[in-house]
Amino acid sequence: QKEVEQNSGPLSVPEGAIASLNCTYSDRGSQSFFWYRQYSGKSPELIMFIYSNGDKEDGRFTAQLNKASQYVSLLIRDSQPSDSATYLCAVNTNAGSARQLTFGSGTQLTVLP
Amino acid sequence: DTGVSQNPRHKITKRGQNVTFRCDPISEHNRLYWYRQTLGQGPEFLTYFQNEAQLEKSRLLSDRFSAERPKGSFSTLEIQRTEQGDSAMYLCAWAAASTDTQYFGPGTRLTVL
Repeated sequence: QKEVEQNSGPLSVPEGAIASLNCTYSDRGSQSFFWYRQYSGKSPELIMFIYSNGDKEDGRFTAQLNKASQYVSLLIRDSQPSDSATYLCAVNTNAGSARQLTFGSGTQLTVLP
Repeated sequence: DTGVSQNPRHKITKRGQNVTFRCDPISEHNRLYWYRQTLGQGPEFLTYFQNEAQLEKSRLLSDRFSAERPKGSFSTLEIQRTEQGDSAMYLCAWAAASTDTQYFGPGTRLTVL
């Protein structure tokens, strides 16, 4: 079982719709959760982080965390063609001093004009 | 501005050659990471520096790989006797001492022929 799992997609939504991206993780000790956006050929760009159960909103983006279900999601409201990218879910456990991130394989999102 | 610069941005080399990549934090970030990302996958942790000390290394970091961070400023990642399987994007990331949030540099894309 992979430590962080995402649907690879591709996920297509029409412009203006809500895009819903999902992620599950296996380590119950995970404490910090991140969403990164990655355009083709570019490096990952941080969109949001969430530490506590519930919702966290930032502009058009909402991150949702449910630690009991080991589930993290990202909602993108009013999707724009410029949102077309791969979205990476990342989880940070408390193991070791590095506190490195473990990533899913990403979900490719296409927003259709 | 991602807080780090990486050079070179692209490197093409022949199998068996040695290559070295450099990561320069724009300011003296305490924590510095190296990740590797292959096509269709999320980044994978390679190694971690806290100041000049290399505190953790992934099993992915074979004997052909070495990383340094002299004086706790810039960092280098060297790959000796490159193999075609080393072809990937090599990403440097930083995090502030008090948070888990990591920010990625632009990356170095390595192609081994």
